[in-house]
Amino acid sequence: QVTLRESGPALVKPTQTLTLTCTFSGFSLSTSGMCVSWIRQPPGKALEWLALIDWDDDKYYSTSLKTRLTISKDTSKNQVVLTMTNMDPVDTATYYCARIPLDSSGYFHGVDYWGQGTLVTVSS
Amino acid sequence: QSVLTQPPSVSAAPGQKVTISCSGSSSNIGNNYVSWYQQLPGTAPKLLIYDNNKRPSGIPDRFSGSKSGTSATLGITGLQTGDEADYYCGTWDSSLSASVVFGGGTKLTVL
Repeated sequence: QVTLRESGPALVKPTQTLTLTCTFSGFSLSTSGMCVSWIRQPPGKALEWLALIDWDDDKYYSTSLKTRLTISKDTSKNQVVLTMTNMDPVDTATYYCARIPLDSSGYFHGVDYWGQGTLVTVSS
Repeated sequence: QSVLTQPPSVSAAPGQKVTISCSGSSSNIGNNYVSWYQQLPGTAPKLLIYDNNKRPSGIPDRFSGSKSGTSATLGITGLQTGDEADYYCGTWDSSLSASVVFGGGTKLTVL
């Protein structure tokens, strides 16, 4: 079965760089059409999409956060890593990694599997 | 401010029907598939509807989806107290900066 699990620090200080790792199983990121995405949710607020990496190593970023984000993958380890620089208290949120399978025409059908999320608090 | 617009809250009595709207534009809903997610308190979102109106395995047919133009609607019939949750719509945005976009979420209260 498909599972995804986020790992990383629960607490980071302002201006620090956050590094989160998504370890997944049940699928391969080398399969055509397969993508992994990061999505976050501040406490009591809505979902916010952050970044996506696809099977071909193409990367897409949120326009508002593009300068601070880097997404990468290690297919052999079934991992996707997200780094976010210059963390601020407003970045306090639960960070989810999720699977997004695209069809052969590249169409998005939905986020079909989500990790449990990891809460990251930004505070000095 | 979310790209897709949803009502902040809806409510209905057990057994009744409720609909949740999701409004976008031609660059997102108008030309892409819409999906819906249910987020129960303290849990990760779960895919409820994909491709505008399809249900993943295990999702009861009390949940339905539709799309018209640049808007989409989630319908829930036979409301149960266990349906109390936040519901989000999502889709792809094909503008210059391709991205996944979500609505602001709708809190469903089953009175």
